[in-house]
Amino acid sequence: EAEVAQSPRYKITEKSQAVAFWCDPISGHATLYWYRQILGQGPELLVQFQDESVVDDSQLPKDRFSAERLKGVDSTLKIQPAELGDSAMYLCASKKTHLGNEQYFGPGTRLTVT
Amino acid sequence: QQQVKQSPQSLIVQKGGISIINCAYENTAFDYFPWYQQFPGKGPALLIAIRPDVSEKKEGRFTISFNKSAKQFSLHIMDSQPGDSATYFCAAWNSNSGYALNFGKGTSLLVTP
Repeated sequence: EAEVAQSPRYKITEKSQAVAFWCDPISGHATLYWYRQILGQGPELLVQFQDESVVDDSQLPKDRFSAERLKGVDSTLKIQPAELGDSAMYLCASKKTHLGNEQYFGPGTRLTVT
Repeated sequence: QQQVKQSPQSLIVQKGGISIINCAYENTAFDYFPWYQQFPGKGPALLIAIRPDVSEKKEGRFTISFNKSAKQFSLHIMDSQPGDSATYFCAAWNSNSGYALNFGKGTSLLVTP
């Protein structure tokens, strides 16, 4: 069964350092999402891609966060510099098309900023 | 602004009992309402979903009840099992917008033996 892949699964970094997360969506899925999930909360959208284009990044803190999906397949989310408040689970999800119903999540990257 | 409100925050049910989680929304443009199940250290997985043209959908032990006029929907887990212990998220989506799901804050369910 096809799955959304994410790496690393866990990351510990010191504040002010740079950190990057990688996501490989299910093959053929044009829509890709990055969510942030704070412990005890629901996922909150950071950025949505349709192929290589950003559809919605209104909740992405652009002073420190960046995301790219250069070839419309895999994607990278970067934080620079990391802050203590960035400690969270970063989830990637994909859908076949932006109007499709079923959205599949990856296992997430647990980030701890010390 | 939280577009989907979920309650309770946590729930303890005995094995064999019924677990009920409730959600409410305001945006009448939402037309797809999924429930996700998340185990510790894992990403959320789609459990069951409903569209507002039906009032109930059942899959195995899981049932969604939908009340369009009240803008509320709920998840019922019948014959709850310890393996159902997880966090459950409701969500809502406007399929015409193409934008992302709006999630509730989650309910942590513990089913005791």
